[in-house]
Amino acid sequence: DTGVSQDPRHKITKRGQNVTFRCDPISEHNRLYWYRQTLGQGPEFLTYFQNEAQLEKSRLLSDRFSAERPKGSFSTLEIQRTEQGDSAMYLCASSLAEANYGYTFGSGTRLTVV
Amino acid sequence: SQKIEQNSEALNIQEGKTATLTCNYTNYSPAYLQWYRQDPGRGPVFLLLIRENEKEKRKERLKVTFDTTLKQSLFHITASQPADSATYLCALGDSGGYNKLIFGAGTRLAVHP
Repeated sequence: DTGVSQDPRHKITKRGQNVTFRCDPISEHNRLYWYRQTLGQGPEFLTYFQNEAQLEKSRLLSDRFSAERPKGSFSTLEIQRTEQGDSAMYLCASSLAEANYGYTFGSGTRLTVV
Repeated sequence: SQKIEQNSEALNIQEGKTATLTCNYTNYSPAYLQWYRQDPGRGPVFLLLIRENEKEKRKERLKVTFDTTLKQSLFHITASQPADSATYLCALGDSGGYNKLIFGAGTRLAVHP
């Protein structure tokens, strides 16, 4: 297992287009998180899965954002009708449920909306 | 509203010295606190976790303290090296089974030879 993988690493899209990102977590981790990070800020929570169930979604998250984790394995994050304000680094992380473990983050997908 | 404050200014120190980074929080009672390192263009890397009932945690050259009365955590790197230069993020977690973390904006550390 090589850690958390995210694809693509970079995405440039025109305003109004839809984009989809993929995250492959560490296989034995049952928890998966999506965060968004802009320059000079810390990661901002978007949503969280335990196995295939989406247990929490940020109230700040627009209805244009949707995430899935079919079969409790990989996850996808889709942004519909992208806006320039969506430009950010989208980070995926996974973890075990037990104590003492932090998150393992992927390297992120950098989205630029032009 | 919940707020996490980390020094927004970069911390510049000389190699070999101890770096001390501060994390203050308000309107929150975290069950635990974590510290992460982030290099440019990469995801954060987990360093240490400390629980609300723990005062101090150590790992090699790293030491974290957690004062729930002051609502503050201090993160120390002893015998700092240029390779320690990075942004360090503080993150607070709730007691609900280790769900989401709330991150501070981070402090950039630069260790000069």
